[in-house]
Amino acid sequence: GNSVTQMEGPVTLSEEAFLTINCTYTATGYPSLFWYVQYPGEGLQLLLKATKADDKGSNKGFEATYRKETTSFHLEKGSVQVSDSAVYFCALGHGANTDKLIFGTGTRLQVFP
Amino acid sequence: EPEVTQTPSHQVTQMGQEVILRCVPISNHLYFYWYRQILGQKVEFLVSFYNNEISEKSEIFDDQFSVERPDGSNFTLKIRSTKLEDSAMYFCASSASQVGSFEQYFGPGTRLTVT
Repeated sequence: GNSVTQMEGPVTLSEEAFLTINCTYTATGYPSLFWYVQYPGEGLQLLLKATKADDKGSNKGFEATYRKETTSFHLEKGSVQVSDSAVYFCALGHGANTDKLIFGTGTRLQVFP
Repeated sequence: EPEVTQTPSHQVTQMGQEVILRCVPISNHLYFYWYRQILGQKVEFLVSFYNNEISEKSEIFDDQFSVERPDGSNFTLKIRSTKLEDSAMYFCASSASQVGSFEQYFGPGTRLTVT
């Protein structure tokens, strides 16, 4: 079945470091891919999305490219800030007969000054 | 900015008791969802709801679970007889549309602890 695999956390970085959080997926057909972020005490917020192969989603300095050949959707940011500390979830939406989202386990990012 | 709200933020209950988790979706949204996350595990889909009926449910969503939209604003998840393994964070979400972007907006969650 469809699934999402994320790298284990926590990821600990100093401010202004480069961030990569890996996400790979297994799905038939052409899913949409998402990154959600959860700040402490808050709900899941959509960070960015891509709906077809080679699309790049971007928001708040974060980027992720939908790579069908490697079934990946890695999240990157060139220079992280302390305020980016949160849990990041990769998710897959398959469309067709379902609108449920399939999530990865989440990766906690901790950024220190 | 409109947001999904959930109450309570934390619910502690004894095994076998009934609990109702409440959600207020974004007002013009038509599609409603419940997900849960057991500590340290993935966020899992439970159920989707549209036009006053369940449109899809997972294998987790057995006869102990039910959902309801009792009025124009609330969306509830009821667990009739809680088990220890129901302890989890429960997220409500809503969406304006089913097709296309799948932009589901999530609430902050209710942490359910079953003792």
